[in-house]
Amino acid sequence: GAGVSQSPRYKVAKRGQDVALRCDPISGHVSLFWYQQALGQGPEFLTYFQNEAQLDKSGLPSDRFFAERPEGSVSTLKIQRTQQEDSAVYLCASSLGQVNQPQHFGDGTRLSIL
Amino acid sequence: EDKVVQSPLSLVVHEGDTVTLNCSYEVTNFRSLLWYKQEKKAPTFLFMLTSSGIEKKSGRLSSILDKKELFSILNITATQTGDSAIYLCAVMGWGKFQFGAGTQVVVTP
Repeated sequence: GAGVSQSPRYKVAKRGQDVALRCDPISGHVSLFWYQQALGQGPEFLTYFQNEAQLDKSGLPSDRFFAERPEGSVSTLKIQRTQQEDSAVYLCASSLGQVNQPQHFGDGTRLSIL
Repeated sequence: EDKVVQSPLSLVVHEGDTVTLNCSYEVTNFRSLLWYKQEKKAPTFLFMLTSSGIEKKSGRLSSILDKKELFSILNITATQTGDSAIYLCAVMGWGKFQFGAGTQVVVTP
């Protein structure tokens, strides 16, 4: 596609529910990143994929967070047993080659946990 | 611990003014520094800097990196209301990008 596409744009869930956020990167982009952005803060790194391999998941805040990219294109970020502190914008970014290249961001998913 | 600090946190200027934004960093195994502009949605890429002293320019925006003093500045000349946004600095160190908190710029008519 022309850009990074994320869905849904907005998600409201009750505390304790599971949610799944989707990222469709730019076609042919090898690297894919997930970030969490709280209000008034810069994006915080969550995890990084190179093709289907998850090379770094050091930013995932707990074992309730899980990400996958099984065929090396679309990625899903899943949050289990959501808590209020999970409320944030979740940004996905992709880049053409390996890590040290400009990242192209999607518009994000705004997650609100009630 | 790696850190990226942007200053100021926010500023308000009049159209036509020049603004200078600062990004200081302490990152293990520095590889590159990037500037992004974030309006209401996705951050959009502005510049990528890897070498000291080489200014990058795009229209009214320019940026330069000092790898000895560990900072970068982003300049915007002849500001316009469309420049109102959050400007993010990201530094690539050992394996991943680390973002600063951003500088919010408001340009008033």
